[in-house]
Amino acid sequence: QVQLQESGPGLVKPSQTLSLTCTVSGGSISSGSYYWSWIRQPAGKGLEWIGRIYTSGSTNYNPSLKSRVTISVDTSKNQFSLKLSSVTAADTAVYYCARDSGEVSWFDPWGQGTLVTVSS
Amino acid sequence: QSVLTQPPSVSGAPGQRVTISCTGSSSNIGAGYDVHWYQQLPGTAPKLLIYGNSNRPSGVPDRFSGSKSGTSASLAISGLQAEDEADYYCQSYDSSLSGYVFGTGTKVTVL
Repeated sequence: QVQLQESGPGLVKPSQTLSLTCTVSGGSISSGSYYWSWIRQPAGKGLEWIGRIYTSGSTNYNPSLKSRVTISVDTSKNQFSLKLSSVTAADTAVYYCARDSGEVSWFDPWGQGTLVTVSS
Repeated sequence: QSVLTQPPSVSGAPGQRVTISCTGSSSNIGAGYDVHWYQQLPGTAPKLLIYGNSNRPSGVPDRFSGSKSGTSASLAISGLQAEDEADYYCQSYDSSLSGYVFGTGTKVTVL
């Protein structure tokens, strides 16, 4: 079955750009009508959808983060990536990647998550 | 900025039935968008529990059930077990935000 795994630096300095990659295994990122999403969760708090990408390259972003977010896909590596610019301590969270099952749908499966701390 | 409201916590004794509400608005649940539910055990990623308002993925016990009416949805857990102690989140789509939204989350405690 499809599995997702996040990777990237665990520590980012304020004002810099957070960069994470999600590697998809057990299936092609291009197969099926799936979108690929990023979701985050600050410690002790709820879930926030960041945005998603379709394998064609089309994207949708959370309006509250849109000015700072870029999601891209590399089908040759079966990966998709997140860049979040001008980070502050408020961006400290566990970041998850997940498969989005359609136009307006649910998330399954999820990666295990990776903690990113914004601190100098 | 959660736009779906859930009770912060619910509790019940083993074997009891508990329900978790998820209240939205006319731009999300009330607009006809489906509601999905996730279970998050401590220290782990969320796991899909219910999709499309009331459907259980393979492997999810039938103790878990979901429903939707108007601008709200509910998750019910019957025959509560110690392993059900976790955080639960609802999720839908919001047309005014043009994106996905999650509920505020509910912690279920088994007494």
